[in-house]
Amino acid sequence: DQQVKQNSPSLSVQEGRISILNCDYTNSMFDYFLWYKKYPAEGPTFLISISSIKDKNEDGRFTVFLNKSAKHLSLHIVPSQPGDSAVYFCAASGRSGSEKLVFGKGTKLTVNP
Amino acid sequence: DAMVIQNPRYQVTQFGKPVTLSCSQTLNHNVMYWYQQKSSQAPKLLFHYYDKDFNNEADTPDNFQSRRPNTSFCFLDIRSPGLGDAAMYLCATSRDFNYEQYFGPGTRLTVT
Repeated sequence: DQQVKQNSPSLSVQEGRISILNCDYTNSMFDYFLWYKKYPAEGPTFLISISSIKDKNEDGRFTVFLNKSAKHLSLHIVPSQPGDSAVYFCAASGRSGSEKLVFGKGTKLTVNP
Repeated sequence: DAMVIQNPRYQVTQFGKPVTLSCSQTLNHNVMYWYQQKSSQAPKLLFHYYDKDFNNEADTPDNFQSRRPNTSFCFLDIRSPGLGDAAMYLCATSRDFNYEQYFGPGTRLTVT
């Protein structure tokens, strides 16, 4: 039973345009969400996070939006660059009581020049 | 640079032959984690240490064991690898629970 779902295995975007990666979760106890980026032959790298007390967190070209009522979050990358091509993992945890990060299966983003 | 190091990066072992994967960190983090990731799957937590306290996930097979002799090092022992244990094994650390986890580059295990 997948508690964190990334329903799009892949996404292709033109350089300079916006990339939107989506993530849904089922566990209402999750209150802390993270995005990780993974290049081939490397481990995942932390990108950006959001706590459930917020609905938006921005860091440069990366913005994460959280819709708690829909149990949905999204990562926006704008403008997209070829170097953003990687696998993006959504992860969630419960800040109170649960130390485990639950990952989605990832979305492979390709940014075409 | 503070980092998480995994050795070896690629490991080939024979069916049933014990194998040990290692992880070290220079971040001085309290928590160390081991994940298993198979192709196109989410990383799956096997177990973690908070300092010396070990926590095994309920569905982690007994075939998988771990040791943390000190803050910096953590080992994953697979006592009798099966073909189904071929995967990428990722080590991660965090300062405390529910802080960002920092991952090593992973060890790709092949079982022949």
